Amino acid sequence: DGGITQSPKYLFRKEGQNVTLSCEQNLNHDAMYWYRQDPGQGLRLIYYSQIVNDFQKGDIAEGYSVSREKKESFPLTVTSAQKNPTAFYLCASTGTSTDTQYFGPGTRLTVL
Amino acid sequence: SQQGEEDPQALSIQEGENATMNCSYKTSINNLQWYRQNSGRGLVHLILIRSNEREKHSGRLRVTLDTSKKSSSLLITASRAADTASYFCATGFNDYKLSFGAGTTVTVRA
Repeated sequence: DGGITQSPKYLFRKEGQNVTLSCEQNLNHDAMYWYRQDPGQGLRLIYYSQIVNDFQKGDIAEGYSVSREKKESFPLTVTSAQKNPTAFYLCASTGTSTDTQYFGPGTRLTVL
Repeated sequence: SQQGEEDPQALSIQEGENATMNCSYKTSINNLQWYRQNSGRGLVHLILIRSNEREKHSGRLRVTLDTSKKSSSLLITASRAADTASYFCATGFNDYKLSFGAGTTVTVRA
């Protein structure tokens, strides 16, 4: 069953903690993305990676970090430097031959 | 940055009616895409139209693109309750990135 998985579905973070959101794809896609979605708003790009061991900042990268050690995995760490992390986080991927992005089911992060 | 802007922000229609939503953007694009998002879920790709195309159909969906006006429209014909969702336009360039609008929330009443 091909697709993108994200875990966990819900995540709670205390003030000052770093948390890592998982994103895995078995679509053999080269490019992967992390977006943040706030209520009633569109998606804002946090980070993206076009190839293993390389990634670029998106529009709102401050307070976030990523790694791309394997083609199928692109974890996102929300650091304590991110002052307002409560949001819905979406991971996506795309292949080199298509412009269509395929999305995971999302992780809802709440700061307690 | 968000380039696309959808209009209207929200739309309520009766089952069986058509739903039309519009998207405007600011800079030149390579393609424009429409996605659907059910509440609390990921986005699902609906249709892609390239900058050299003017109209595209997929099932009950019809998309138009007017590059001179920098606008696109999505028409859903004969709407069903299952069409209740938020719809986003996204503009693509040549750099693997998409820029999403804020979306139109469509409610289909039974």
